[in-house]
Amino acid sequence: AQSVSQHNHHVILSEAASLELGCNYSYGGTVNLFWYVQYPGQHLQLLLKYFSGDPLVKGIKGFEAEFIKSKFSFNLRKPSVQWSDTAEYFCAVNPLIYNQGGKLIFGQGTELSVKP
Amino acid sequence: DAMVIQNPRYQVTQFGKPVTLSCSQTLNHNVMYWYQQKSSQAPKLLFHYYDKDFNNEADTPDNFQSRRPNTSFCFLDIRSPGLGDAAMYLCATSRGGQGTYNEQFFGPGTRLTVL
Repeated sequence: AQSVSQHNHHVILSEAASLELGCNYSYGGTVNLFWYVQYPGQHLQLLLKYFSGDPLVKGIKGFEAEFIKSKFSFNLRKPSVQWSDTAEYFCAVNPLIYNQGGKLIFGQGTELSVKP
Repeated sequence: DAMVIQNPRYQVTQFGKPVTLSCSQTLNHNVMYWYQQKSSQAPKLLFHYYDKDFNNEADTPDNFQSRRPNTSFCFLDIRSPGLGDAAMYLCATSRGGQGTYNEQFFGPGTRLTVL
């Protein structure tokens, strides 16, 4: 079965620190990849996505992620975090299986706390 | 603004008492999804509709049913809620469907408490 693993359950950083959140998935075929963010009290929002092309994708608010196919990884990065980045971050994978185009498999989430 | 709306935001029900959660969308998307998210866990897909075609996940309990009377609305029915069904229920929509994929847009969720 396909699965998504996020390495860190809770990350605590000070403002201006760099961020990298790990995400690995288990599926040998073609995938679409996503990072979603959930700010406190708000709904899930798309941060960035990878469908094809350049494996380094840039999203909103200065976030980027790199798809490394050989490592089945899609790690999220930000060079300098802000207090407003405090949120829960979910990695999600859409395995391109015939007749299951809509299936999103989420990781467990990483809670990011940024200290001012 | 086009959006995904879920009502109610908080729902309390009693053990075994049927409950219905509602989702509506103004995005005119043809695909609608229901996810269950338990505390500190990943959202888990229960089922989705591609237009009127219902797609159930293999491990979704029979206790969970869904209805989609039209493009805009989708309901999640829990026939006999157990304590283990307490969770956040997320509705999402996307344009497209089987064999293709587009971004999913999520509603704010309904937090279900079972007493």
